[in-house]
Amino acid sequence: RKEVEQDPGPFNVPEGATVAFNCTYSNSASQSFFWYRQDCRKEPKLLMSVYSSGNEDGRFTAQLNRASQYISLLIRDSKLSDSATYLCVPRPDTGRRALTFGSGTRLQVQP
Amino acid sequence: IAGITQAPTSQILAAGRRMTLRCTQDMRHNAMYWYRQDLGLGLRLIHYSNTAGTTGKGEVPDGYSVSRANTDDFPLTLASAVPSQTSVYFCASSDQLAGYNEQFFGPGTRLTVL
Repeated sequence: RKEVEQDPGPFNVPEGATVAFNCTYSNSASQSFFWYRQDCRKEPKLLMSVYSSGNEDGRFTAQLNRASQYISLLIRDSKLSDSATYLCVPRPDTGRRALTFGSGTRLQVQP
Repeated sequence: IAGITQAPTSQILAAGRRMTLRCTQDMRHNAMYWYRQDLGLGLRLIHYSNTAGTTGKGEVPDGYSVSRANTDDFPLTLASAVPSQTSVYFCASSDQLAGYNEQFFGPGTRLTVL
């Protein structure tokens, strides 16, 4: 079973819309996660870290539901510049492991 | 330099040739990584290094080698390139000693093997 599962999308939304996507994870011991964004064929960049029940940064809100083993990302007031692929990444439970990246969820914000 | 740099930005290479992709970071991170990303797929770990002088194999290490002579540099070598190694290669680093684990990525090298 994959460590994380994400709907590949694409999610096509109009500017100004609110969009949310989920990420389910298989390791019940996972305590925290990262959301990365990746623009087409460019390097992934850290969007936010989620260390407990959730995190909010401007228009972006991430929530962690340990009981159901999923993490969500909510984007409010979508901008054209939000168009990207969003990657949900479990933080390793030890300090010396590489991150495992899935293929992410693609978001396309349309004018 | 600020962050991670990679060179070259792109390269077209004949099959059978040897090629080294360079990666340098100036953040004094202890850990460094090499990933490849094929079109439409996620990043796959090739090799990693938790500290200068040590390296380890990732998910797809065959056909690649790495070295970590110092903290800043982590070159990736393709000894004899094959067309299936056509990909975008990303180098990353993280400050594992501080326990953060966030990885910071270089801009990537686009490699085409003909």
